[in-house]
Amino acid sequence: QVQVVESGGDLVKPGGSLRLSCAASGFIFKDYYMSWIRQAPGKGLEWISYISSSGSTKDYAASVQGRFTISRDNAKNSLYLQMNSLRVEDTAVYYCVKGYPPESWGQGSRVIVSS
Amino acid sequence: EIVLTQSPGTLSLSPGERATLACRASQNLTNTYLAWHQHKPGQAPRLLIFGASTRATGIPDRFTGSGSGADFTLTINRLEPEDFAVYYCQQYGRASWTFGQGTKVEIK
Repeated sequence: QVQVVESGGDLVKPGGSLRLSCAASGFIFKDYYMSWIRQAPGKGLEWISYISSSGSTKDYAASVQGRFTISRDNAKNSLYLQMNSLRVEDTAVYYCVKGYPPESWGQGSRVIVSS
Repeated sequence: EIVLTQSPGTLSLSPGERATLACRASQNLTNTYLAWHQHKPGQAPRLLIFGASTRATGIPDRFTGSGSGADFTLTINRLEPEDFAVYYCQQYGRASWTFGQGTKVEIK
């Protein structure tokens, strides 16, 4: 069955960097758009970024543009999110999601940005 | 950026009742690229509806999506205990996807 499993969440200081990974299985990874969506504590869902199946098309929310970079390795069935210049307001659970529209969600990886 | 506004913020209902959730977009959505997701605490969200009215795989037929242009509705007929959750609409038709702020369906 379809599985996406996030990893890499951690406690990091403001201004720091972190890289999230997502391991996909149970589907042909290279055929699907993938995205990252987050939920801050007590808040709703916020789309962060998506990447096309080939990796040639990417888009970002204004809140992370220029700080976060999405990438994928189709040979490894993996999705990544490089997060730089982290802010307190980036604290959230980050979900890796398969598809366009987003159809299969992981359990999430928690990122805490705090001094 | 397309802003999605959901109403009401909270819906208090009893099992067996019907829930009607609204989602209004700040501009018309071309191709009705509108989805609904269900989210329960501590769980991964779940896609319910895409294309405004198509149920995702395995979604019971008590969930119905409708609407076009800028106004969309999710109807849940005969609420089951497992349906009490937060529901989000989401547009995926423009370059930057956006979510509504959510409607919480709680047990009355």
